[in-house]
Amino acid sequence: AQKVTQAQTEISVVEKEDVTLDCVYETRDTTYYLFWYKQPPSGELVFLIRRNSFDEQNEISGRYSWNFQKSTSSFNFTITASQVVDSAVYFCALRNAGNMLTFGGGTRLMVKP
Amino acid sequence: NAGVTQTPKFRILKIGQSMTLQCTQDMNHNYMYWYRQDPGMGLKLIYYSVGAGITDKGEVPNGYNVSRSTTEDFPLRLELAAPSQTSVYFCASSVDSNQPQHFGDGTRLSIL
Repeated sequence: AQKVTQAQTEISVVEKEDVTLDCVYETRDTTYYLFWYKQPPSGELVFLIRRNSFDEQNEISGRYSWNFQKSTSSFNFTITASQVVDSAVYFCALRNAGNMLTFGGGTRLMVKP
Repeated sequence: NAGVTQTPKFRILKIGQSMTLQCTQDMNHNYMYWYRQDPGMGLKLIYYSVGAGITDKGEVPNGYNVSRSTTEDFPLRLELAAPSQTSVYFCASSVDSNQPQHFGDGTRLSIL
């Protein structure tokens, strides 16, 4: 069975602070995909990034960056210089050899002005 | 750019009633999914489909049924609504299982 754990249920920061959202996963498969989604207060789910298990290269997209470490089964997400518009629930998800995507419980990020 | 469209957006049901949540996508995606999201929780997969005529159970299928007669449509049926089915339901689609899923805006369902 696979599992995704987001231990931080809520994080509160002040605007312009950097913040890291943790994601730890469990799977027996050697081939898998990891995803991050954002759910703003309006409720929709927005895809942020996909990473496959063979690509441990970190990625940066503007103020967002992702650190994938197979050795620790982690796929952490950092927002640099956070903004109020970053306030949302962020979900990490894992897809292994099957067709099912397993979501973590989410981390609610609140960025205060 | 319609993407994934879910109807209705909100619904209140009485215990024991039945209803169908509609989902349609215009991206010609083979894969479609139904999730439920309980308050403060992540999404759990109810059913999914890898193509027209093919459906399979996800993590929490009990109390639901699906069909996939066309590529575009993937309705979710609740036969005997129970309070435990109060949730927000999301439909999603993807090109294949490795690609990102595109989500609809959700259907908020309350069963009283």
